[in-house]
Amino acid sequence: DTGVSQDPRHKITKRGQNVTFRCDPISEHNRLYWYRQTLGQGPEFLTYFQNEAQLEKSRLLSDRFSAERPKGSFSTLEIQRTEQGDSAMYLCASRSGTGKSGNTIYFGEGSWLTVV
Amino acid sequence: AQKITQTQPGMFVQEKEAVTLDCTYDTSDQSYGLFWYKQPSSGEMIFLIYQGSYDEQNATEGRYSLNFQKARKSANLVISASQLGDSAMYFCAMRELDFNKFYFGSGTKLNVKP
Repeated sequence: DTGVSQDPRHKITKRGQNVTFRCDPISEHNRLYWYRQTLGQGPEFLTYFQNEAQLEKSRLLSDRFSAERPKGSFSTLEIQRTEQGDSAMYLCASRSGTGKSGNTIYFGEGSWLTVV
Repeated sequence: AQKITQTQPGMFVQEKEAVTLDCTYDTSDQSYGLFWYKQPSSGEMIFLIYQGSYDEQNATEGRYSLNFQKARKSANLVISASQLGDSAMYFCAMRELDFNKFYFGSGTKLNVKP
């Protein structure tokens, strides 16, 4: 399978704990996105990487959130001191940026976070 | 202002019939892309179809077509010959091509009845 993969798929954590999600994009894609989706809503943009550079961050990404893409391949999204409001699905997506299909982002299956 | 508006929270369609899901967008850019994604209950977002703002013809992909009306800023998704497996959430999205962010609508839940 050469699609976007995310790990873990599901995470239940206690309030105040830290969690980390990993995303492996499609191998030739140098652009990577993180989105958050709550029930009944569309995905909301969190952050964007081109290669290893984090070029854009949403105001939704509070100080408790940090994302990295150290070698321009996989990315991690860490949430520190989780709160119940962080419960959501965290979606990773990637695109190549070249050719017509480079305009399209392809999503992973998402990581569901439940904070109890 | 909302970049993407989907005004139909839920839609029903009879199996084998066609259905149109509405999407309007807001941008002052000339160069942009419009996308539709399907999200089954399992959660993954599946890319369906893309329309570039300069594309003269409406995009088609199998049973999916995008009814692009630039002057009205609408990009409706048409699904022909609906199947039970088409039951899902459908999201319209846009990216202004000078920028990187994709904007998504709130989605339409489609139920296909046997």
